[in-house]
Amino acid sequence: GAGVSQSPRYKVAKRGQDVALRCDPISGHVSLFWYQQALGQGPEFLTYFQNEAQLDKSGLPSDRFFAERPEGSVSTLKIQRTQQEDSAVYLCASSRHGGGRARLTETQYFGPGTRLLVL
Amino acid sequence: GQNIDQPTEMTATEGAIVQINCTYQTSGFNGLFWYQQHAGEAPTFLSYNVLDGLEEKGRFSSFLSRSKGYSYLLLKELQMKDSASYLCAVSTWGGGNKLTFGTGTQLKVEL
Repeated sequence: GAGVSQSPRYKVAKRGQDVALRCDPISGHVSLFWYQQALGQGPEFLTYFQNEAQLDKSGLPSDRFFAERPEGSVSTLKIQRTQQEDSAVYLCASSRHGGGRARLTETQYFGPGTRLLVL
Repeated sequence: GQNIDQPTEMTATEGAIVQINCTYQTSGFNGLFWYQQHAGEAPTFLSYNVLDGLEEKGRFSSFLSRSKGYSYLLLKELQMKDSASYLCAVSTWGGGNKLTFGTGTQLKVEL
């Protein structure tokens, strides 16, 4: 596709409800990242996939957060039993190759985000 | 851990030049990015520095000094559409070269 797409763009959930956020990365991109952006703040890293492998999930704030990328393309971020503090914009980004010491970093291209509001 | 500092807000006049500074403390430095983010939109890539010096791209330039942990973004010939948040982000080795962002500098361009 032309860019990274995310759906839904907006989601309102009642506290305790489960939500699923979808990310379609740029076609052929190996790396996929999820970030959380609170109002007035910069994005904060949540998790990273290289193809279907989740290589880093150190930024997930609790075990209520779960991400998957089963076929190495589309990814879903799931939040169980949502809490008010989960309200934020969830950004997905992709880059062409995988990372690691042998490779210099590459530009990450961001989707428009899903704005989650938990009431 | 990582620590990235940038001013919260700046105001400048249309047609002028503005410099947005960013200082960082990090281990495993693998490059520094600048992104532009308009309200409610995705961050869009502006520039990338991995070696010391100045990178120029049209009206935008970015400078890096690794020894000082310092970068700046220079915007020339400011236009009203440049009003946005400017995010400084450091890439570190490992974890796919994940980005650690500053809080962003909200730039307001006035007539």
